Amino acid sequence: DGGITQSPKYLFRKEGQNVTLSCEQNLNHDAMYWYRQDPGQGLRLIYYSQIVNDFQKGDIAEGYSVSREKKESFPLTVTSAQKNPTAFYLCASRSDNEQFFGPGTRLTVL
Amino acid sequence: GQNIDQPTEMTATEGAIVQINCTYQTSGFNGLFWYQQHAGEAPTFLSYNVLDGLEEKGRFSSFLSRSKGYSYLLLKELQMKDSASYLCAPLGGFKTIFGAGTRLFVKA
Repeated sequence: DGGITQSPKYLFRKEGQNVTLSCEQNLNHDAMYWYRQDPGQGLRLIYYSQIVNDFQKGDIAEGYSVSREKKESFPLTVTSAQKNPTAFYLCASRSDNEQFFGPGTRLTVL
Repeated sequence: GQNIDQPTEMTATEGAIVQINCTYQTSGFNGLFWYQQHAGEAPTFLSYNVLDGLEEKGRFSSFLSRSKGYSYLLLKELQMKDSASYLCAPLGGFKTIFGAGTRLFVKA
């Protein structure tokens, strides 16, 4: 069963803690993306990666970091420097003519 | 710069046809995605247009005019379950950028 997985579905953290969200795909896609969605808002691009060991900042990269050590995996770390981390985080992977999303992780920082 | 414009909300009747328009400006345009997103869920891929023209996929069709920076999503035989947000997302270079989306309400 091919697809994109994100875990966990819900995540709670205390303010000041770093947290890492996982994203795994078995679609053999080269490109992977992280987006953030706030209530009633559109998706905003945090980071993207075209290929293993390479990634670029999106429109709202401040306070976030990523790695791309394997083709299948693109974890996102939300650092304590991110001022408003509570949001719905969506990972996606893309081939030439399709881009699919994982189910998302809802992060709440208390 | 990048700019994507879609209507904020639309309402249509069950069984009818609705067209959701999208205009965009993006550098290095490679194609355009359409997604459906139900409240509280991740977006679901609907279509990807690279060339000008209409592509039909069941009840959903998507049109692209690259010279005009314009696309639309056409939904036929509307069902109540089609009530959702529809997201237009041009691919510029390697970046897929999303508009705010159009919330579609289907009424009986």
